[in-house]
Amino acid sequence: ILNVEQSPQSLHVQEGDSTNFTCSFPSSNFYALHWYRWETAKSPEALFVMTLNGDEKKKGRISATLNTKEGYSYLYIKGSQPEDSATYLCAFIGSTGTASKLTFGTGTRLQVTL
Amino acid sequence: NAGVTQTPKFRVLKTGQSMTLLCAQDMNHEYMYWYRQDPGMGLRLIHYSVGEGTTAKGEVPDGYNVSRLKKQNFLLGLESAAPSQTSVYFCASSYPRTGVTDTQYFGPGTRLTVL
Repeated sequence: ILNVEQSPQSLHVQEGDSTNFTCSFPSSNFYALHWYRWETAKSPEALFVMTLNGDEKKKGRISATLNTKEGYSYLYIKGSQPEDSATYLCAFIGSTGTASKLTFGTGTRLQVTL
Repeated sequence: NAGVTQTPKFRVLKTGQSMTLLCAQDMNHEYMYWYRQDPGMGLRLIHYSVGEGTTAKGEVPDGYNVSRLKKQNFLLGLESAAPSQTSVYFCASSYPRTGVTDTQYFGPGTRLTVL
């Protein structure tokens, strides 16, 4: 069973704060890492797919970095807004896996208040 | 484009009853998946399909069966529901160019309660 861990479990920040969270995954047999954003009462939506060590992806105020050698990825949100409130999931795919089988972490729940 | 849709949205069953959850996608995706979401746990893969007529077991397949008779539909069946199957079920699909780097598109979920 693959161990994908996310920290912190939850985070409460004020509007304008920048924040980051961590996804830890097995460093051996890495193939890809996905980040998803999941708003309450909606479906998870894809943010990034990362495959290369040192990769950095950006979408607006959200960015992510990847370190496959040490087995972690950071997700950063710059200048948090209330609409950023959601659970952020990471999902790992190992090279020994098949198809597109993702192993999800339990998520970091972010709440941004005014 | 409706994307990924799930039917029903909510359902309450008694222990031992059977039901089928329907997932439909209109994006011509090859791969489809069924997950369950339980409190304190990540999304866990139940079964998946890499194409019409093919299915495979995921992480937690026991107590479920699936069928993919048409490319656009993926059915999840519970033959004899148990309280441990109370969960929120999500369907997803992807059109893999490389197999593992394509994002999955999720449906809105089905909340199932087994009494």
